[in-house]
Amino acid sequence: NAGVTQTPKFRILKIGQSMTLQCTQDMNHNYMYWYRQDPGMGLKLIYYSVGAGITDKGEVPNGYNVSRSTTEDFPLRLELAAPSQTSVYFCASSYSYGTGRAGANVLTFGAGSRLTVL
Amino acid sequence: GENVEQHPSTLSVQEGDSAVIKCTYSDSASNYFPWYKQELGKGPQLIIDIRSNVGEKKDQRIAVTLNKTAKHFSLHITETQPEDSAVYFCAAKSNTGNQFYFGTGTSLTVIP
Repeated sequence: NAGVTQTPKFRILKIGQSMTLQCTQDMNHNYMYWYRQDPGMGLKLIYYSVGAGITDKGEVPNGYNVSRSTTEDFPLRLELAAPSQTSVYFCASSYSYGTGRAGANVLTFGAGSRLTVL
Repeated sequence: GENVEQHPSTLSVQEGDSAVIKCTYSDSASNYFPWYKQELGKGPQLIIDIRSNVGEKKDQRIAVTLNKTAKHFSLHITETQPEDSAVYFCAAKSNTGNQFYFGTGTSLTVIP
């Protein structure tokens, strides 16, 4: 059981370049999330998806795009990379069908992708 | 939106002592409060959670308390061990919302 898999683990980009961070989960979770983690700032939500074909903005969506064509995959696209996007990115997934059921809303995180924009 | 504050940002304890990390939240609609542990180079992992219909929950050396009136919840680790050294995050989520709101993290160091 792989859980949440993110690729690549590390990447260096030049300003203005574009790239896609890949995320796939094999737990049949309906919800998927992208967070960025900056030192001393905790985890900030970039985008999330409640199911295939549905995405929504989080707290810090500017400069990013997402798509959710399947239940398993939730790629994060960076267009025109900027130094402010240097961060560690985490993908996560969960079942979310109300708080009454055991296991609901438990986030499973990937191992992270460290991105540096120079 | 929800605002979650977490204190302290760093905490050092001697092995065997207890550690307490505190979080406050602003949205009274929040009703699910998980705690995540992040080891170096890894993603956060759930260690314990509590829902708003419960005031306290315990799992071996880890416990979480919730005060809904005061809008704060705390993580208690007893008999700390070096492997407890990590960054800990609290979070809050409402039943009607889709987002988790995280605290800024506490770096816990357990000194052997």
